[in-house]
Amino acid sequence: AQSVTQLGSHVSVSEGALVLLRCNYSSSVPPYLFWYVQYPNQGLQLLLKYTTGATLVKGINGFEAEFKKSETSFHLTKPSAHMSDAAEYFCAVSDRYGNKLVFGAGTILRVKS
Amino acid sequence: KAGVTQTPRYLIKTRGQQVTLSCSPISGHRSVSWYQQTPGQGLQFLFEYFSETQRNKGNFPGRFSGRQFSNSRSEMNVSTLELGDSALYLCASSQWGEVQETQYFGPGTRLLVL
Repeated sequence: AQSVTQLGSHVSVSEGALVLLRCNYSSSVPPYLFWYVQYPNQGLQLLLKYTTGATLVKGINGFEAEFKKSETSFHLTKPSAHMSDAAEYFCAVSDRYGNKLVFGAGTILRVKS
Repeated sequence: KAGVTQTPRYLIKTRGQQVTLSCSPISGHRSVSWYQQTPGQGLQFLFEYFSETQRNKGNFPGRFSGRQFSNSRSEMNVSTLELGDSALYLCASSQWGEVQETQYFGPGTRLLVL
């Protein structure tokens, strides 16, 4: 069975600082990996996804993530945090034969001014 | 294009009642998936419909059911509501329901069971 572990339920950074949100996955088959963001009282928005090919994936709003098979990780980074980045972030995994997403528990990002 | 819409946005029910939630996918999308989001269990997959057929199902009791109409609109039904069914119910649509596609989520229906 697939699973996702997000380290840190809450992360706090200063505006302009590096954002690093950690995600480790478990999958018996080559996974597809996703990062979603959820703002209060809204649905989920896709930030980026890894399917095949280049392991460094660039997404919207300046976010990127690197698929590291040896570490079973897919950490999300952004060089410089902005106040508008404050939200909850979810890492998700799916196998290659369906679109059922298995989500991590989420990480709430707080950006301090 | 209009995004995924869900109705109603908020709902209050009492234990034992049943509820029906509706999801209208993005025009042209034929796959609709449903997720339950709770503080305790997080985001969990309920089921996916494609061309009026349930194609995938999560680990939820039979009280949770769904259907999809010929225009791809989907409904989910929860019978005999329990307090633990209080949650945000999200639906997502994609054109073919293939994993490499982007799934677009609606704003959700927040259900409170008293």
